[in-house]
Order: sequence, then structure tokens, then C-alpha cells
Amino acid sequence: AQSVTQLDSQVPVFEEAPVELRCNYSSSVSVYLFWYVQYPNQGLQLLLKYLSGSTLVKGINGFEAEFNKSQTSFHLRKPSVHISDTAEYFCAVREFSGGYNKLIFGAGTRLAVHP
Amino acid sequence: DGGITQSPKYLFRKEGQNVTLSCEQNLNHDAMYWYRQDPGQGLRLIYYSQIVNDFQKGDIAEGYSVSREKKESFPLTVTSAQKNPTAFYLCASKLGQSFDEQYFGPGTRLTVT
Repeated sequence: AQSVTQLDSQVPVFEEAPVELRCNYSSSVSVYLFWYVQYPNQGLQLLLKYLSGSTLVKGINGFEAEFNKSQTSFHLRKPSVHISDTAEYFCAVREFSGGYNKLIFGAGTRLAVHP
Repeated sequence: DGGITQSPKYLFRKEGQNVTLSCEQNLNHDAMYWYRQDPGQGLRLIYYSQIVNDFQKGDIAEGYSVSREKKESFPLTVTSAQKNPTAFYLCASKLGQSFDEQYFGPGTRLTVT
């Protein structure tokens, strides 16, 4: 079974500073990777996804992520954060099991942007 | 306006009672999912359904049941056998097996006392 590790449970950062949220996955075969964002008491919204092709993936709200196969990582970055980016961020990997595709989620990273 | 609705947003129940959480989608998606979210644990899959009248247990199905009688509806029943039912429950859907993006509803926060 695949697993996803988000190395930081909380990341505090000042407004307009850069941020990196780290994600490592366990699979050694080809992977589909995702980052989702969750604002307080809401559902999840897809930020970006990597299926194949360019290892640098651009998403919504100025976020991007880089797929690194040798390090089995898919870290999320933003060069300058805003207060409105305060949310919880989840990394996920697609797993094919029992004839079905499922998403395996990491534990989440809470990003707190301070003025 | 297409999307996924979950109702109610907040639900309170006494211990020992079964409770059913609603999930409806008008996206014409084949696949639907139920997740449970607890602080610091991310999302854990309870049940999923790829088509009408078919569903599979996820990683934490014990104490839960589902039905999929209509394409647009995938209700989740939290039974009295679920030992720790207080959590945030999220429903999701996607177009089909070969598609990747799951779309999420706004969630239902269940509190059992």
C-alpha cells in the first residue's frame, strides 16, 4: 500500500514571505500526485496535480509543486503568501487497489500566515 | 450550478443512535466517496462507490454503512457500532474510474455525546 508523509504539521510564515510545504510518497512505480487545500470548516479544493510530463506543475492561487522521482517528493511552494492562504494543505497519491483507483492522503499541513 | 451538497452542516446525536448523513451531487459523476477527517490524521476512506448499486469498503468501514440506489446520491449511516463517531465527514465524487480529480462537498460535522 502506498503512503504519503507530510513532514510538517504546522508552518507559520509572515505575509509576503515564501513558503514550502513538504510531501514525500512511498511508491516506486509511476504515480499520480495531488495537492488539495481546505479552508476552515469547508471541503477540499484541488490546487494542482501531477500526472506525467513536466516535473514543475503550476496550480491555482500562485502555487506550484515539483515532482522529484529520485527523492520521492512533491513539495508545494509559493513565492509570496497572503493572509488568505491560511488553510490546511493535503498531499495525496493515487493508488490502484482491488480494481479501483483511490486517493491516499497525508495528515495535512496547517499553514498560518501572519501579518 | 453543479456541485456536491452535504446536509446538515452540523449534526448532534446521542450515543447509541444511528444517524444518516446526506450527500447529493448533480455533476453526473459515476464515482462517489466518503471520508472521515480527524485532527492530525488527514482523510481516511470509509466507503466508495464506482457505479450505482455497487460500493466497496474503504480503510475504516467498521460501524458505517452506505447505499447507492441513485447515481446522484450516496448516503452514509453512522451506526451505534461505530466506537468514536465524532468527526468531520466529507463526501466526494469524480467522473469515473479513468478520471483523477475528486470534487469535495462542504462536509458535515457530527458530534455524538
